[in-house]
Amino acid sequence: KAGVTQTPRYLIKTRGQQVTLSCSPISGHRSVSWYQQTPGQGLQFLFEYFSETQRNKGNFPGRFSGRQFSNSRSEMNVSTLELGDSALYLCASSLDRGRANEKLFFGSGTQLSVL
Amino acid sequence: GDSVTQMEGPVTLSEEAFLTINCTYTATGYPSLFWYVQYPGEGLQLLLKATKADDKGSNKGFEATYRKETTSFHLEKGSVQVSDSAVYFCALSDLNYQLIWGAGTKLIIKP
Repeated sequence: KAGVTQTPRYLIKTRGQQVTLSCSPISGHRSVSWYQQTPGQGLQFLFEYFSETQRNKGNFPGRFSGRQFSNSRSEMNVSTLELGDSALYLCASSLDRGRANEKLFFGSGTQLSVL
Repeated sequence: GDSVTQMEGPVTLSEEAFLTINCTYTATGYPSLFWYVQYPGEGLQLLLKATKADDKGSNKGFEATYRKETTSFHLEKGSVQVSDSAVYFCALSDLNYQLIWGAGTKLIIKP
C-alpha cells in the first residue's frame, strides 16, 4: 500500500509569489491534515479536510488555504509569500475523523524556501 | 487550553545508553497520549500510544507509561542504537480527537 505522497519535495519561491502544494493520502483514507514545521515553532496545525470540507483550522492567516477533492487528494495554497513562510509543510492522512484521527500517517513533506 | 511540554534537545547519548525523554501535559479530562518519531528526511510516524491511566505503550524497545498523578508520559529505552537518532514528538488527543503536539526533542546517538 502506497504511503502519503507529497509533491513537490522541494520548492524555492520569492516573496510575494504564491505556491500550491499537493498531497495524495493513503488509499481509503478520507481525512487529510496539513502542518507547518519550523525549527522555532515546531509542528503547527494548519487545517483538516474531510469529505471535501474543511473541518478544523489552526491559527494561520487567510493567505493559507486548502481544498480536498472527491478522491481525497488535497492541495494547500499560500498566497503572497513571506520570508517567514519558509518551512517544511507536512501532510497527514487518517482513515476517518474522530478517534481514527489519532493515528496519522505523514508524508515526507514539501520543503518550501522563500527568498 | 491543552498543552504538551517536552524536554529540550538535543539529547546526545552514546550507543547502548539508557534513554529518557520527558513529557508532561495539561489537559481537560483524560486524553490519549502518543509518541511519534521523525527520522531524518521523513514524515512523522506513530511510535506508541496509551489510552488510559497506568497503560504502558511499547514498540521497537521503547516504552512509555501514562501517569495520571504526575500528568506525564516519559519515553524510555534501555539501550539505544545509532538508528534511533531522530526527533521525538509527544502528543495528546483533545476532546475533538485533534492531536496537540509538543515541540519535539532531537535525539543524537553516537557510536
